[in-house]
Amino acid sequence: AQSVTQLDSHVSVSEGTPVLLRCNYSSSYSPSLFWYVQHPNKGLQLLLKYTSAATLVKGINGFEAEFKKSETSFHLTKPSAHMSDAAEYFCVVSSWEEGGGNKLTFGTGTQLKVEL
Amino acid sequence: DTAVSQTPKYLVTQMGNDKSIKCEQNLGHDTMYWYKQDSKKFLKIMFSYNNKELIINETVPNRFSPKSPDKAHLNLHINSLELGDSAVYFCASSQATPGLGYTFGSGTRLTVV
Repeated sequence: AQSVTQLDSHVSVSEGTPVLLRCNYSSSYSPSLFWYVQHPNKGLQLLLKYTSAATLVKGINGFEAEFKKSETSFHLTKPSAHMSDAAEYFCVVSSWEEGGGNKLTFGTGTQLKVEL
Repeated sequence: DTAVSQTPKYLVTQMGNDKSIKCEQNLGHDTMYWYKQDSKKFLKIMFSYNNKELIINETVPNRFSPKSPDKAHLNLHINSLELGDSAVYFCASSQATPGLGYTFGSGTRLTVV
């Protein structure tokens, strides 16, 4: 079974400083990996996805993630945090189910706090 | 707007009642899903339908019954509601292609009192 582990449940940064949200994955084959963001009382928005093309993936709002097979990691970064980045971030792995469905397995989430 | 829309947004009901949550997508996707987000924000898949056919059915009580009248709709009916059913329920859709993410609805916050 595929799984992801988010190493930090809470991350706090100052506005304008870099963001690093850590995620390790477990998969028996080359995985499809995603980062989703959830702002308070909102739905889930796709930030970026990795599907075996370039290992450095650029997403929306200045976020990017690097797939490192040797480290089984898919960490999310942003050079400079903005107050609007405060949200819950989920690392997600996809597995293909017989019958035609992509099953997304979510990590436990990392709450990002951005301080002035 | 192209989207996944679910109704209602909020649902407060008493224990023992039966309630339904509706979901519709106009993205032309083949597959639709229901996810449950608990109070600790953990998201877990409940069901998945591909073109009206059930393909994923996780360990969910029989009180939960999904219904897909066509591939653009996936409704969730819950019988005999319990306190532990209180959660946010998200509908989502995707194409039936490996490696794709989902488009999520905005969620339905169910509170059982």
